[in-house]
Amino acid sequence: GAVVSQHPSRVICKSGTSVKIECRSLDFQATTMFWYRQFPKQSLMLMATSNEGSKATYEQGVEKDKFLINHASLTLSTLTVTSAHPEDSSFYICSAHPGEYGYTFGSGTRLTVV
Amino acid sequence: QQQVKQSPQSLIVQKGGIPIINCAYENTAFDYFPWYQQFPGKGPALLIAIRPDVSEKKEGRFTISFNKSAKQFSLHIMDSQPGDSATYFCAASIEYNFNKFYFGSGTKLNVKP
Repeated sequence: GAVVSQHPSRVICKSGTSVKIECRSLDFQATTMFWYRQFPKQSLMLMATSNEGSKATYEQGVEKDKFLINHASLTLSTLTVTSAHPEDSSFYICSAHPGEYGYTFGSGTRLTVV
Repeated sequence: QQQVKQSPQSLIVQKGGIPIINCAYENTAFDYFPWYQQFPGKGPALLIAIRPDVSEKKEGRFTISFNKSAKQFSLHIMDSQPGDSATYFCAASIEYNFNKFYFGSGTKLNVKP
């Protein structure tokens, strides 16, 4: 089946530094990938849609300069949390649509900013 | 405005019981309704999905019931097991436009041995 690989699974960084999270589609090409944020015991919130070869589309209220998205190839999208602060600590999840029905989600990245 | 409303927030059943999770939506343009299962620290995994042209779909112990006129759909887990303990999310989307994918608020299920 379609697999979306997300890396790293956990990251701890110091406040003010930047963190990059990778999302790869392993056995299919994804012109579009999606980035979600999930707070503890809450649902997934769509942050942005990553488009291969063009700019990402951000949801209302999501800071473009804070959450940089790059979709450099048909199998890789990256989310960079710039100048991270403790309030950016969260669970970040990417997903892609492999062409069959349904989205495939990555395993998520737990970001902790100290 | 929440596009998909899910209830209950949490659910406890005994092993072998049949937990039922309900979702309701407003947008009649939605035409794809999946359910996802999420374990702690993991991303959601697609469990089962239904389109509005059928009223019920079964896959193993999981069944979706769909009521188009009421704009409601539900997940039933037959013969529930402790390993089914997880958070379940319903979702809805317009399939021809995968740009938006709306999740319910989630239901934390605990199946007791």
